[in-house]
Amino acid sequence: QQQVRQSPQSLTVWEGETAILNCSYEDSTFDYFPWYHQFPGESPALLIAIRPVSNKKEDGRFTIFFNKREKKFSLHIADSQPGDSATYFCAASAASGSWQLIFGSGTQLTVMP
Amino acid sequence: DPKIIQKPKYLVAVTGSEKILICEQYLGHNAMYWYRQSAKKPLEFMFSYSYQKLMDNQTASSRFQPQSSKKNHLDLQITALKPDDSATYFCASSQGTSNQDTQYFGPGTRLLVL
Repeated sequence: QQQVRQSPQSLTVWEGETAILNCSYEDSTFDYFPWYHQFPGESPALLIAIRPVSNKKEDGRFTIFFNKREKKFSLHIADSQPGDSATYFCAASAASGSWQLIFGSGTQLTVMP
Repeated sequence: DPKIIQKPKYLVAVTGSEKILICEQYLGHNAMYWYRQSAKKPLEFMFSYSYQKLMDNQTASSRFQPQSSKKNHLDLQITALKPDDSATYFCASSQGTSNQDTQYFGPGTRLLVL
């Protein structure tokens, strides 16, 4: 099944808290898992990505945790800032085929000051 | 300077008409894509091209036809437009060496079909 499930649909946190966004997949051929963010009126932009050889990838305040056995991965945004308010999409891609990104349904994150 | 250009930014069309969405990338990439974003399906893959050859077509309808006249161009022709086609259409590109190359998205064309 080429599907990526994402939750929650929306998330509100206070400034300084850690926001946790979750995704799961079923297709074992997926080998690349990026997170994109999208601000209103703008296009999606890559935030951070992970390959299954690792179970964790950090970039500043953003961390991906990856669980290959359970086919789950999550994005943790530490010390959330109001400027982080955006829609976040997880995605997955397989090495064979068209390189298409299969996106989750998105999480609308609001960080309250 | 924008590296991926999409034209027009906004487009209003009547049902049954035909439109062409333009995409040009100046990143030197070899792979290009079209995605569609609507309220029903947040980000949906449509087509992928590599070195001007079609790699995959995930659209159910032949009304959507990509056209690649140059390596850095991938236009999208949509015929017999329907109100359901209303969406933002994003062109994207990547280096074209593997699925793990970053895909960069253009600013999008917002299409409204009346």
